[in-house]
Amino acid sequence: GQNIDQPTEMTATEGAIVQINCTYQTSGFNGLFWYQQHAGEAPTFLSYNVLDGLEEKGRFSSFLSRSKGYSYLLLKELQMKDSASYLCAVRDRNTPLVFGKGTRLSVIA
Amino acid sequence: DGGITQSPKYLFRKEGQNVTLSCEQNLNHDAMYWYRQDPGQGLRLIYYSQIVNDFQKGDIAEGYSVSREKKESFPLTVTSAQKNPTAFYLCASSTWAGWTQQETQYFGPGTRLLVL
Repeated sequence: GQNIDQPTEMTATEGAIVQINCTYQTSGFNGLFWYQQHAGEAPTFLSYNVLDGLEEKGRFSSFLSRSKGYSYLLLKELQMKDSASYLCAVRDRNTPLVFGKGTRLSVIA
Repeated sequence: DGGITQSPKYLFRKEGQNVTLSCEQNLNHDAMYWYRQDPGQGLRLIYYSQIVNDFQKGDIAEGYSVSREKKESFPLTVTSAQKNPTAFYLCASSTWAGWTQQETQYFGPGTRLLVL
C-alpha cells in the first residue's frame, strides 16, 4: 500500500508564498491529487498530476517528481481564506485513492 | 444544480443502534465512495462502488454496510458492531473509466455522527 507523508501544520503570512510538500511510496504510481478542506466542510479538488512537472492554476501550482516520489503544492499571494487543510492523495495501480493526513495551514496577518 | 447531497448534517446514535447515512448524486457518476474522517486524520475509505449492484470493501469496512440499488444513491449503514462510530462521514462520486484514467472525486457536505 501507499505511505503518504505531509507536514502536520504550517503557518504563513498573508501575501507570502507557501510550499506544502508530500512524499509517497507506491508500487505502481497512477496519479496524485491535491484537495483543500476548510474546517467542518467537504474537500474540494485543487489539482491533479500524473506526469512530471508543474501544473499552474491561478495562485495555486502543483509539482510532481515520480522518480523521487515527491509532490508539492505552491500557494502564492496568500489570503486569509487560504487557511485550511490541504490533502495529498495518491492512486496506486488498480486501487482507489489513498489520502494523506493533511497539512493544516494557518495564514496570519 | 448538479451535486452531491448528504443527510442529515448531524446524527446521533444510541448504543446498540443501527443508523443509515444518505448520499445522493445527480452528476450521472458511475462510482461512489464512503470515507470516514477523524480529528487530525486523513480520509479513510470504508466502501466504494463502481457500478450499480456492486461494491467493494475499503480499508475500514468492519461494522459498516452499504447498498447500491440505484446509480444516484449509495446509503451507508453504521451497525452496532462499529464500536467507535463517532466521526465525520464523507460521501464522494466520480466518473469511472478504469483504473488508468483520471477520476476526480467530488465530495458531499458530510454527516457528523455522534454517539450518545
